[in-house]
Amino acid sequence: KAGVTQTPRYLIKTRGQQVTLSCSPISGHRSVSWYQQTPGQGLQFLFEYFSETQRNKGNFPGRFSGRQFSNSRSEMNVSTLELGDSALYLCASSVRTGGGDGYTFGSGTRLTVV
Amino acid sequence: GESVGLHLPTLSVQEGDNSIINCAYSNSASDYFIWYKQESGKGPQFIIDIRSNMDKRQGQRVTVLLNKTVKHLSLQIAATQPGDSAVYFCAETRWEKLTFGTGTRLTIIP
Repeated sequence: KAGVTQTPRYLIKTRGQQVTLSCSPISGHRSVSWYQQTPGQGLQFLFEYFSETQRNKGNFPGRFSGRQFSNSRSEMNVSTLELGDSALYLCASSVRTGGGDGYTFGSGTRLTVV
Repeated sequence: GESVGLHLPTLSVQEGDNSIINCAYSNSASDYFIWYKQESGKGPQFIIDIRSNMDKRQGQRVTVLLNKTVKHLSLQIAATQPGDSAVYFCAETRWEKLTFGTGTRLTIIP
């Protein structure tokens, strides 16, 4: 069965711009979580959506937002990009919410802000 | 504050030897732990998990040990192969989400 699909794989944006990343979870998975991965901070939790509702949120500024659609696909938006937003953004899906049955990750979107 | 950490950031192992990667956690309320493997250019890949009511769980060439007394988790990889080269993360379920450690880079020496 198809895994978690993230698009695009690579993205280069300029400071001040905004960006939207997309994630299609595994069929049947209703939970989608987003993580930011950087060399200095590791994997940091952004938020989780389950059945179109945000269930949990990490410690990121309001410039980071997301949403989930009725087909469980999710998008993540970052507005007013800063150089420090350069990172690998990972999406993970699971059947249940809360991380209690593990996540399946996509390959990520590599965002570079210049 | 609470954290999930790893004892060593890097580990080099001879091909064919066994590898042991360690992880310390601080939240005694965590009830589910996972080891992930991340290869270059890819997302983390599930290796093995264990729940807090268990001490040990085995998979194919991998074993996870959980010591709740000292809040310690370890991943053992038997007969390490070149394909095992990657960064390994432990993760725990805490506050309704998975929280990841900083990772250990495993390098296989031929």
